[in-house]
Amino acid sequence: KAGVTQTPRYLIKTRGQQVTLSCSPISGHRSVSWYQQTPGQGLQFLFEYFSETQRNKGNFPGRFSGRQFSNSRSEMNVSTLELGDSALYLCASNGGMSGLGETQYFGPGTRLLVL
Amino acid sequence: GDSVTQMEGPVTLSEEAFLTINCTYTATGYPSLFWYVQYPGEGLQLLLKATKADDKGSNKGFEATYRKETTSFHLEKGSVQVSDSAVYFCALSDMTGYALNFGKGTSLLVTP
Repeated sequence: KAGVTQTPRYLIKTRGQQVTLSCSPISGHRSVSWYQQTPGQGLQFLFEYFSETQRNKGNFPGRFSGRQFSNSRSEMNVSTLELGDSALYLCASNGGMSGLGETQYFGPGTRLLVL
Repeated sequence: GDSVTQMEGPVTLSEEAFLTINCTYTATGYPSLFWYVQYPGEGLQLLLKATKADDKGSNKGFEATYRKETTSFHLEKGSVQVSDSAVYFCALSDMTGYALNFGKGTSLLVTP
């Protein structure tokens, strides 16, 4: 079974631009979560989608948004990029039904550099 | 709120040495606990998990026991290999089960 895939793998943008990252979950998985990883803040939860609905949200400004499509693929968007948005963005998927203890399967990440 | 604290790295060990990476947590309720590993240039891989008190998770020679009385989930391995060099993250799930709260990560370097 194919794993979680993320595109693109690397991205360079300038301040003020916007960016869209894509994530394809493992086949059959209906939950997709997004995380930001930076050297200073570590791994932080952005949001989680299940059946096209945002079910959970972390503590990030409104510039960070996401959506999920009927095939469970997900996109996240960051508008008005800031230098501090430079990070590795990780997507994770799981079945979405079992709740506590369910394993999250992570993709390789998209590395975003904002200049 | 919920939080995870793990020992600062980097940790440098010789091959075949014993490994312990400490992890303690603060949480309301009864979270599930996880150890994830990140190899250079890659995403996170689940190493092991435990979903209730006194559960022991194990995988690839690594073990961790969910200790509710000490709010800990320390990672151990009896004999490390060079291939174990990576960053290890302790994490807990929030009450929904679908958001993970991670520790800062501990970098491990194993030398031949």
